[in-house]
Amino acid sequence: QMQLVQSGSEVKKTGSSVKVSCKTPGNTFTYRYLHWVRQAPGQALQWMGFITPFNDDPKYAQEFQGRVTITRDKSMSTAYMELSSLRSEDTAMYFCAVVAGDGGVGAFDIWGQGTMVTVSS
Amino acid sequence: QSVLTQPPSASGTPGQRVTISCSGSSSNIGSSAVNWYQRLPGTAPQLLMFSNDQRPSGVPDRFSGSKSGTSASLAISGLQSEDEADYYCATWDDSLHAVVFGGGTKVIVL
Repeated sequence: QMQLVQSGSEVKKTGSSVKVSCKTPGNTFTYRYLHWVRQAPGQALQWMGFITPFNDDPKYAQEFQGRVTITRDKSMSTAYMELSSLRSEDTAMYFCAVVAGDGGVGAFDIWGQGTMVTVSS
Repeated sequence: QSVLTQPPSASGTPGQRVTISCSGSSSNIGSSAVNWYQRLPGTAPQLLMFSNDQRPSGVPDRFSGSKSGTSASLAISGLQSEDEADYYCATWDDSLHAVVFGGGTKVIVL
């Protein structure tokens, strides 16, 4: 079963940055768009952006522009999502996800287990 | 405020049919396929439906999806207690150049 394995939970101070990793064992998803989605407590799912498979070109949701950086290290089979200038509203569960099957954009059928990021002052 | 509009909750008794709506616009649902997710507490979202009406392997045929114009819907027939969860619609938005989600619908099995 293909899977994505994320790094552990984080507790950060307001104004700092967090970097979450997403490992794709065996380079299974090297040629897939790798997306990041978050869900704050009591809120809806929120798409943050993706990184393309061939030239590692990132694309970000407008609300995160300037604060999020998505990268990929193919040699480590790992993708990263770094969010800076953290505020309390960034407290959320962060997921990486890919479309591995027949669905189009947004049909994420493989997800990481989630990384809880807690931001406090 | 979510780009796609869903009712906050829906309910039914075991065995009943429940339908969840997802309303959008010409730049999202009107021009792209709709996907649906089930989110159970403590677990990652699970893809329930893709390309409007296609079930991934392993999803029971009690779940069905449809799309018409700028709206989509997910139906659960023969409602079961394990269907109690949050459900989200999602699609690509051509104007925002982003994946957009609905606000989520909590299904309650009475």
